[in-house]
Amino acid sequence: ETGVTQSPTHLIKTRGQQVTLRCSSQSGHNTVSWYQQALGQGPQFIFQYYREEENGRGNFPPRFSGLQFPNYSSELNVNALELDDSALYLCASSLFVGEPSYNSPLHFGNGTRLTVT
Amino acid sequence: AQKITQTQPGMFVQEKEAVTLDCTYDTSDPSYGLFWYKQPSSGEMIFLIYQGSYDQQNATEGRYSLNFQKARKSANLVISASQLGDSAMYFCAMKGRAGTALIFGKGTTLSVSS
Repeated sequence: ETGVTQSPTHLIKTRGQQVTLRCSSQSGHNTVSWYQQALGQGPQFIFQYYREEENGRGNFPPRFSGLQFPNYSSELNVNALELDDSALYLCASSLFVGEPSYNSPLHFGNGTRLTVT
Repeated sequence: AQKITQTQPGMFVQEKEAVTLDCTYDTSDPSYGLFWYKQPSSGEMIFLIYQGSYDQQNATEGRYSLNFQKARKSANLVISASQLGDSAMYFCAMKGRAGTALIFGKGTTLSVSS
């Protein structure tokens, strides 16, 4: 069983730039979600994708966008980077087979640490 | 709105001792799931244990058990026989039937000494 993999592991960008983070879901999983974790805090939900469509979104501006591909891999794009975007970005996958979905644990990758200068 | 509260910023325990990490939650959802995750310094979030709101028995997974008290809205994690490798940040999280987001607490840092 292949786990969730994320790339790159570390990234340094300048304010105003754009960044793309990538994620491969755990084999057999069909749902992917992204979380932002600031230093010393718990992860915050950005959005979730199922069947290549966004089906849930947290309190993040539109400059945070994503994609899910037919093979269930995913991308997180952030435009017009701000200093506060510096964080660990975690991708998680799960298997949705119908409600209730709350009993399906998320499996996380190692994250991408983004630094915006 | 859903909320997770972890009031212990840090906990210290010696090897082979048991430790309880506290978690209280708030939700208006009648159906929900509660989770505990471990995050070592490497950053990966490792799933430990799950408890459903309608589960009659407390969940157990090896050395981990979840002390679920629904009336008190608490879901404490108990780690038995602590090991040095248990040193990490621990997060309590919940997900309701109505939403897609997993809501996390602020975490508790556990330090295990020999």
